[in-house]
Amino acid sequence: GDSVTQMEGPVTLSEEAFLTINCTYTATGYPSLFWYVQYPGEGLQLLLKATKADDKGSNKGFEATYRKETTSFHLEKGSVQVSDSAVYFCALSEGGANSKLTFGKGITLSVRP
Amino acid sequence: GAGVSQSPSNKVTEKGKDVELRCDPISGHTALYWYRQSLGQGLEFLIYFQGNSAPDKSGLPSDRFSAERTGGSVSTLTIQRTQQEDSAVYLCASSDRTKGNIQYFGAGTRLSVL
Repeated sequence: GDSVTQMEGPVTLSEEAFLTINCTYTATGYPSLFWYVQYPGEGLQLLLKATKADDKGSNKGFEATYRKETTSFHLEKGSVQVSDSAVYFCALSEGGANSKLTFGKGITLSVRP
Repeated sequence: GAGVSQSPSNKVTEKGKDVELRCDPISGHTALYWYRQSLGQGLEFLIYFQGNSAPDKSGLPSDRFSAERTGGSVSTLTIQRTQQEDSAVYLCASSDRTKGNIQYFGAGTRLSVL
């Protein structure tokens, strides 16, 4: 079945540091890929998405590129802020009749001033 | 409403009791999903409703779990004879296929089974 693997956390960075969160996936078809973020005390929000190979999703300074050859969708940000502290989930959806999301375990990011 | 609304936000119950969790999706969204977020298992899909089609129940962990969606809008997730391992945050999401099918999540119901 489908699966998403995220790097182990938690991750602690200083403000303005470079961020990479690794995500790889296994899927039978050609899924859409997503990063969701959960800020403290809030619900899950879509951060960015990509629907086909070589697409780059971007939002709020975050980027991720859909790499079919390596089945990866790593999240990057050039300069993190304290406000980026949250839990980040990588997810995929095969689409079709049921667009359910398959999530990775999530990773907690803490950014210190 | 403006977003997906879930109630209650917190529920504490005793082992063996039944609980009902409610989800009010974004108006006009035809698809509705339930997920469970627990420490051990992460985020897991439970059940999916799309319009008037039969729901996809493939993620329900046992026959103690059921869900319905009345009138294509509000959904209720029912857990019968709750067990301690049912303790988790239950998340609801809705989406609109005509608008990219992005799932929008509610804040969740935190269920604690004592």
